[in-house]
Amino acid sequence: EAAVTQSPRNKVAVTGGKVTLSCNQTNNHNNMYWYRQDTGHGLRLIHYSYGAGSTEKGDIPDGYKASRPSQENFSLILELATPSQTSVYFCASGAWGANTGQLYFGEGSKLTVL
Amino acid sequence: QQQVRQSPQSLTVWEGETAILNCSYEDSTFDYFPWYHQFPGESPALLIAIRPVSNKKEDGRFTIFFNKREKKFSLHIADSQPGDSATYFCAARRGGSNAKLTFGKGTKLSVKS
Repeated sequence: EAAVTQSPRNKVAVTGGKVTLSCNQTNNHNNMYWYRQDTGHGLRLIHYSYGAGSTEKGDIPDGYKASRPSQENFSLILELATPSQTSVYFCASGAWGANTGQLYFGEGSKLTVL
Repeated sequence: QQQVRQSPQSLTVWEGETAILNCSYEDSTFDYFPWYHQFPGESPALLIAIRPVSNKKEDGRFTIFFNKREKKFSLHIADSQPGDSATYFCAARRGGSNAKLTFGKGTKLSVKS
């Protein structure tokens, strides 16, 4: 069974603090993604990666950095957290073919910035 | 700007009815159109998907209808069951093997018995 695990699952941070959300996948997928989910906005792509050492900006990258040190691990970094970054964050891994492919999501990380 | 538009935001149907969820897109380079569902407290998961070379894809009670000319696609859930109550997201893929997936805002479906 494909597996994407996130940590921490719940995090309370203070405004201006640094937050790191971690993601590990055992699917051996090249592609990994970070989304945030907010009511009324659906799933919005923050950063993604094609493989170890690469990171790409998604649709809403401002205020976030990403790091892909290995095939298995992909981190999302909030250097200076703000209350507007309170959200549920999902990591996913994915493999694509011409006619197929899907994202496998982790369990989600609920972040509250006070 | 919203690249994938989804409607309605919420939908309530009676058990046994057909639920219809709609999406539209703007970018002609999108090449793969999946639907994901998400049950409360869980992660999104792939439900069904279609490529624009087809205009219909069926999987049991779930059918995607695709109109390439109008850049619209829809999910029909036949004989809706209370267990189908969830949030449904349409999505569109661009980029081939190094793809990124853009999601709609979601439709919250409630099936009443």
